[in-house]
Amino acid sequence: DAGVIQSPRHEVTEMGQEVTLRCKPISGHNSLFWYRQTMMRGLELLIYFNNNVPIDDSGMPEDRFSAKMPNASFSTLKIQPSEPRDSAVYFCASRQLQGGSGNTIYFGEGSWLTVV
Amino acid sequence: QKEVEQDPGPLSVPEGAIVSLNCTYSNSAFQYFMWYRQYSRKGPELLMYTYSSGNKEDGRFTAQVDKSSKYISLFIRDSQPSDSATYLCAMSPRTDKLIFGTGTRLQVFP
Repeated sequence: DAGVIQSPRHEVTEMGQEVTLRCKPISGHNSLFWYRQTMMRGLELLIYFNNNVPIDDSGMPEDRFSAKMPNASFSTLKIQPSEPRDSAVYFCASRQLQGGSGNTIYFGEGSWLTVV
Repeated sequence: QKEVEQDPGPLSVPEGAIVSLNCTYSNSAFQYFMWYRQYSRKGPELLMYTYSSGNKEDGRFTAQVDKSSKYISLFIRDSQPSDSATYLCAMSPRTDKLIFGTGTRLQVFP
C-alpha cells in the first residue's frame, strides 16, 4: 500500500519566493496533518483537517503560511513570501478517524525546505 | 515550560544493553501516549501506543505510563544497531492532535 506521499522531497529557494508543498494522504484516511520539524523546536503541528475541513490552524506561524485541502486526496501548504527561518522539514501525516487504529498517524517522508 | 519534555541525548549504548527513554508532561488531561521512531531523513513511524496508565509490551519494547507522576517510559531490551534512531514521545488528551517531545537520539554500537 502506498503511504503518505509528499512532494517535493527537497526544495532550495531564495528568500521572498513562494513555496508550495504537496501531500497525498493514504487512501481512505479522512484526517490530515501538517507538521514542521526543526532541531530547536522538534515536531510542531501547524494545521489539521478532518474530512477536508480545517479544524485547528493555531500552529500556523503567521499569515505567510496557508494550507488547503480541496479534496480527500490532496493538500497543499504554501509559504508566501518565504524567509530563511522557514527552513525546516515539513511533514504531512494522515489518519483514519474511526476504527481501531484511530490514533495511529502515518507520516510521509517529509519535504526538506531550505530558504537562502 | 513545554507541555512535553524529553531529553535530546544523544544516548550511546553497546549492543545488547537495555535502553530507557523517558518523557515528562504537564497536562493532566493527556490520555493517549505514543512512541514514534524516526530514522535519519525519514518520517516518524509509530512504535508503541498506550491508552491511560499501565504497561504495554511488544517484543523487545515495553512502554510504561505513570499518570500520577506525569511520566512515560520506553524500554528497549537487547538493543541492536538497527535500533539507532531518534525516539519521539507523543501524547494527546483526545483522539485528535498529538503533542510531540523533541526526541531522543539513540545510537547502539556493535
